[in-house]
Amino acid sequence: ELKVEQNPLFLSMQEGKNYTIYCNYSTTSDRLYWYRQDPGKSLESLFVLLSNGAVKQEGRLMASLDTKARLSTLHITAAVHDLSATYFCAVDSSGGGADGLTFGKGTHLIIQP
Amino acid sequence: NAGVTQTPKFRILKIGQSMTLQCTQDMNHNYMYWYRQDPGMGLKLIYYSVGAGITDKGEVPNGYNVSRSTTEDFPLRLELAAPSQTSVYFCASSYSRVYEQYFGPGTRLTVT
Repeated sequence: ELKVEQNPLFLSMQEGKNYTIYCNYSTTSDRLYWYRQDPGKSLESLFVLLSNGAVKQEGRLMASLDTKARLSTLHITAAVHDLSATYFCAVDSSGGGADGLTFGKGTHLIIQP
Repeated sequence: NAGVTQTPKFRILKIGQSMTLQCTQDMNHNYMYWYRQDPGMGLKLIYYSVGAGITDKGEVPNGYNVSRSTTEDFPLRLELAAPSQTSVYFCASSYSRVYEQYFGPGTRLTVT
């Protein structure tokens, strides 16, 4: 059974600081996705990582994937208040099983002025 | 494009009642999914479909049924609602298994 763990689950940080969210998963997969969810809203796709060593950047967010370590990171550079949200990583069990994604519990990020 | 739409947005059911959550996408995606999200948790896959006429169970299918008669629509049926089915339900679609999934706005369901 595929398990996806995110750390930390809750993060309060100041504007201007850098931080990294970690996503570990338990079985082989080379497809990992990051989503953002604002309170009471739906999920918005941020990054799609499809191979070992993949790195994607959009604004102050950068995501990477290490399939050998079964680890993805979401790095926030010089955080701003607008990035406050819950961030989910999700993994596709490419080795078999259901075609849907297995999600982590999410990292609730609060960025304070 | 409207993307993925879901109805209703909110619903309160009594224990034992039944209802259908509607999901429609206008992106001509073959893959469609139903997830539930409990407070403070990630999403869990209920059912998915890889094309019209083809459905399969996800991680938490008990108490639910689906059908896929067209590419656009993927309704989720709750039979004999139970309090454990209180959750937010999200429908999603994707072009293929590899591509990102696009999510609908969600249906907030309370069973009392």
